[in-house]
Amino acid sequence: KQEVTQIPAALSVPEGENLVLNCSFTDSAIYNLQWFRQDPGKGLTSLLLIQSSQREQTSGRLNASLDKSSGRSTLYIAASQPGDSATYLCAVLKDSSYKLIFGSGTRLLVRP
Amino acid sequence: GEEVAQTPKHLVRGEGQKAKLYCAPIKGHSYVFWYQQVLKNEFKFLISFQNENVFDETGMPKERFSAKCLPNSPCSLEIQATKLEDSAVYFCASSQSAGTVYNEQFFGPGTRLTVL
Repeated sequence: KQEVTQIPAALSVPEGENLVLNCSFTDSAIYNLQWFRQDPGKGLTSLLLIQSSQREQTSGRLNASLDKSSGRSTLYIAASQPGDSATYLCAVLKDSSYKLIFGSGTRLLVRP
Repeated sequence: GEEVAQTPKHLVRGEGQKAKLYCAPIKGHSYVFWYQQVLKNEFKFLISFQNENVFDETGMPKERFSAKCLPNSPCSLEIQATKLEDSAVYFCASSQSAGTVYNEQFFGPGTRLTVL
């Protein structure tokens, strides 16, 4: 059974700091991995999708990496801003099913 | 449309009442997914559709939950005789394809169901 874990559960950093969020999964048989952002009371915004054959994806100040063999992904946020404060979720798409398996998220607070 | 639309935004029901939630996928997307988010960000997959056909319903509590995606109508998720533990945010997602490394799911804003 696929399990997805995110560490840390919560993170508080001062504005301008670079930070890394971690995601691990137990079954390496995945199609892809998505990172999402969720603001309080809101839906999910897709940030980055990494295909199983890719090692990383970049969008602006965000960089996501994938090491499928070790079951790990990281989301790197450069020069963090207060507007980055949100919950960040990773989710893997299993290759035997089309449903996403989510981690429990990392709640990020960027202090001005 | 360009975004997944969900209605209503909030829904309050007394225990035992029926609840019906709606989802309009992004135009051109063939796959629709329903997820339930309960406390502590726990997401649970409920059901998926390929056009109007059920694709995977392994997550559905079949006794009280049902879902449909009919042509030219929003998809719907219906809960008969709601229970307190059904209180959650229900998200709908859609994707252009499925079963490939390119499959990206786009989520709607969710419907918050509160059962009193």
